[in-house]
Amino acid sequence: AQSVTQLGSHVSVSEGALVLLRCNYSSSVPPYLFWYVQYPNQGLQLLLKYTSAATLVKGINGFEAEFKKSETSFHLTKPSAHMSDAAEYFCAVSEYNFNKFYFGSGTKLNVKP
Amino acid sequence: DAGVTQSPTHLIKTRGQQVTLRCSPKSGHDTVSWYQQALGQGPQFIFQYYEEEERQRGNFPDRFSGHQFPNYSSELNVNALLLGDSALYLCASSSYRGTNEKLFFGSGTQLSVL
Repeated sequence: AQSVTQLGSHVSVSEGALVLLRCNYSSSVPPYLFWYVQYPNQGLQLLLKYTSAATLVKGINGFEAEFKKSETSFHLTKPSAHMSDAAEYFCAVSEYNFNKFYFGSGTKLNVKP
Repeated sequence: DAGVTQSPTHLIKTRGQQVTLRCSPKSGHDTVSWYQQALGQGPQFIFQYYEEEERQRGNFPDRFSGHQFPNYSSELNVNALLLGDSALYLCASSSYRGTNEKLFFGSGTQLSVL
């Protein structure tokens, strides 16, 4: 079975500060990992994905994530937070055929001016 | 190019009623997945349709059923509604022959069961 755990349901950072959102996965097979962002009253948008290529994955809006097999982690980072980054972020793991995605419970990012 | 569209955006029903939610996939996509997102939770997989057949199903009771039409659009039906069915229902589309791992989500249908 596959699952995802996101540590911290709420994270607050100051504008310009480092953003770090944590995600740990559980998978019996090599995982495919994703980060999605959800703005209020909108659907989820793909930020980035890891599908067994480079372990450091760069996404949109300056976000990146590093796949660490030894730590079963796929943390999301951004060097400098912007007010527009305030949203809810979901980590997800997929089965090999991408038919089913398992999402974490989400982390709401608040960016203070 | 229209993305994934869902209708209606909001719906209020009472316990025991039946509801139908609709989804039109992104142009060029042939696969539709449905997810339930309860308040404060991440989306949970309900089922996926491809070639008008249910390909995979999550841990949801038979009260949840679906359909895919020849034009790839899809419906989610929920019978005998329970208070616990109140949630945001998200439709996601993808291309089975293309980058199937990339899901495009609609804005969802907010269902409230009273």
